[in-house]
Amino acid sequence: DQQVKQNSPSLSVQEGRISILNCDYTNSMFDYFLWYKKYPAEGPTFLISISSIKDKNEDGRFTVFLNKSAKHLSLHIVPSQPGDSAVYFCAASPSGSARQLTFGSGTQLTVLP
Amino acid sequence: DVKVTQSSRYLVKRTGEKVFLECVQDMDHENMFWYRQDPGLGLRLIYFSYDVKMKEKGDIPEGYSVSREKKERFSLILESASTNQTSMYLCASSLIGPLGAGGTQYFGPGTRLLVL
Repeated sequence: DQQVKQNSPSLSVQEGRISILNCDYTNSMFDYFLWYKKYPAEGPTFLISISSIKDKNEDGRFTVFLNKSAKHLSLHIVPSQPGDSAVYFCAASPSGSARQLTFGSGTQLTVLP
Repeated sequence: DVKVTQSSRYLVKRTGEKVFLECVQDMDHENMFWYRQDPGLGLRLIYFSYDVKMKEKGDIPEGYSVSREKKERFSLILESASTNQTSMYLCASSLIGPLGAGGTQYFGPGTRLLVL
């Protein structure tokens, strides 16, 4: 039973356009959410996070939106660049925990030049 | 800059062998984690540790054990390797404390293990 779901295994976007990656969760106890990026043969690297007290967090070209009522978050990348091509993982942590993260299955983003 | 290193990038072992995967972090982080990554399944937590000599089971601990004798080092042990343990193994570390300040996990480059 996956508590964090990324329903799109892959996404292709033209360079310069917006990439939108989606993530759904089922556990109401989750209150902190993170996005990681992973290149082949490397470990995941932290990208951006959001606490449940916010509905938006922005860092340069990356924005994460959180809709708590829908238990849904999304990562927007604008403008998309070929170097953004990677697997993106959504992760969530429950209230009071600074330890365990539950990861989604990942979305392979390909940005076409 | 946080650095998490793993002892091997690629490893080939035979069924039944005992396998040790080592992970070292240089940022004095309290928490350390072992995950495996498989296609379509994302990252699944095997074990984690929040202090020296402390360990807790993650979601898929069967067939694995861990050891944390020093704060900077966390070892994953496959007691008797099996073919279904062929996978990418990722180690991570994080600081203790409120997630807003430091629950972010930092990952090593991974070890790709093939069990024949």
